Amino acid sequence: NAGVMQNPRHLVRRRGQEARLRCSPMKGHSHVYWYRQLPEEGLKFMVYLQKENIIDESGMPKERFSAEFPKEGPSILRIQQVVRGDSAAYFCASSLGGPRPSPLHFGNGTRLTVT
Amino acid sequence: DAKTTQPPSMDCAEGRAANLPCNHSTISGNEYVYWYRQIHSQGPQYIIHGLKNNETNEMASLIITEDRKSSTLILPHATLRDTAVYYCIVRPYSGGGADGLTFGKGTHLIIQP
Repeated sequence: NAGVMQNPRHLVRRRGQEARLRCSPMKGHSHVYWYRQLPEEGLKFMVYLQKENIIDESGMPKERFSAEFPKEGPSILRIQQVVRGDSAAYFCASSLGGPRPSPLHFGNGTRLTVT
Repeated sequence: DAKTTQPPSMDCAEGRAANLPCNHSTISGNEYVYWYRQIHSQGPQYIIHGLKNNETNEMASLIITEDRKSSTLILPHATLRDTAVYYCIVRPYSGGGADGLTFGKGTHLIIQP
């Protein structure tokens, strides 16, 4: 059973370009979470999605960032007009959800470098 | 904000049991205790979780005090590969969905050869 798959593992973008980060959850998981980890800092929650719905985006910057989890295909975190401060590791996690507590399982992240 | 307190770092000799403490004195009745670890440059790895009973799996044991205000993660026979940052997280569970995790600073566990 494959774990959470994120790609690309490393992404380099110039300032002003767009970054698209993809996340395929574990098989059977319908809940997806995105986290960001700045260099030498802790993990910060960004957004929580279920299929076709954003449930909680309280951690998302108000501008330039968006996320989706379509009915078919991976979840996408999109960063428009990237700036140097966006350089970080972005982690995706998935869980089963449902009536019993279900652990989040994380991918190995996408490391975004903005030059 | 994280609702847990952990020591910033700990050392443990290889082959010995590593006991990682966590205080969560304001924990509510519907909140679970979760433990994760993050090995350098990898994603967080789920270890174990519990509500009020002690739990054990192939990775670790979780001991929760009777008043639920603190817990201890036990790695029974630590190896060098257990060197990581360990996060103790209190997670509310509303029963209708999957609430996320709030990470604090964790404990940097260093296993010494």
